[in-house]
Amino acid sequence: KNEVEQSPQNLTAQEGEFITINCSYSVGISALHWLQQHPGGGIVSLFMLSSGKKKHGRLIATINIQEKHSSLHITASHPRDSAVYICAVVRAYNTDKLIFGTGTRLQVFP
Amino acid sequence: EAQVTQNPRYLITVTGKKLTVTCSQNMNHEYMSWYRQDPGLGLRQIYYSMNVEVTDKGDVPEGYKVSRKEKRNFPLILESPSPNQTSLYFCASSPLPTYEQYFGPGTRLTVT
Repeated sequence: KNEVEQSPQNLTAQEGEFITINCSYSVGISALHWLQQHPGGGIVSLFMLSSGKKKHGRLIATINIQEKHSSLHITASHPRDSAVYICAVVRAYNTDKLIFGTGTRLQVFP
Repeated sequence: EAQVTQNPRYLITVTGKKLTVTCSQNMNHEYMSWYRQDPGLGLRQIYYSMNVEVTDKGDVPEGYKVSRKEKRNFPLILESPSPNQTSLYFCASSPLPTYEQYFGPGTRLTVT
């Protein structure tokens, strides 16, 4: 079983819909990253969380340390949000390595 | 402009021919790392470095070498490439693993 699981693997939405992507992990962590991989392949960092909630524009990320779960929400989705969203964790007992989920492919149609 | 650069962006080579993929960052970051991305497997860490002359294995280090002689550079070396190393490779840097990660544009490697 992977230490980091994402759901769903694929997601399609109509423009304007509220999107939720989930990330569950099975190890103790010191931080969790949400990344976005554009169709062209480039990867950008969206959020780094160690507790609570962060918001940037239409994107909101939350983390529940006790439940070992994080969510990425996109409000008022737009076709330009179409990308692969990747969750990655930094293990609490080995803070030098990142472990990645396999990603959620999101397509938003006009 | 803060950035991580990788070269080459695309490379087709043959089995056994040594190659180096360069990675350079201009943000004075301590932490640098190499990842490979394969369909269905996601990103996996190959090697990482916490600072100059300090490197360590990630989850899939077999067949790769790295060096960190200068803070800004972290080259990935394939001494004898094999077809199973055909992949998309990313270099990344950050002050620490728990900080925002900055990724290079990726290098698509094909080994025939």
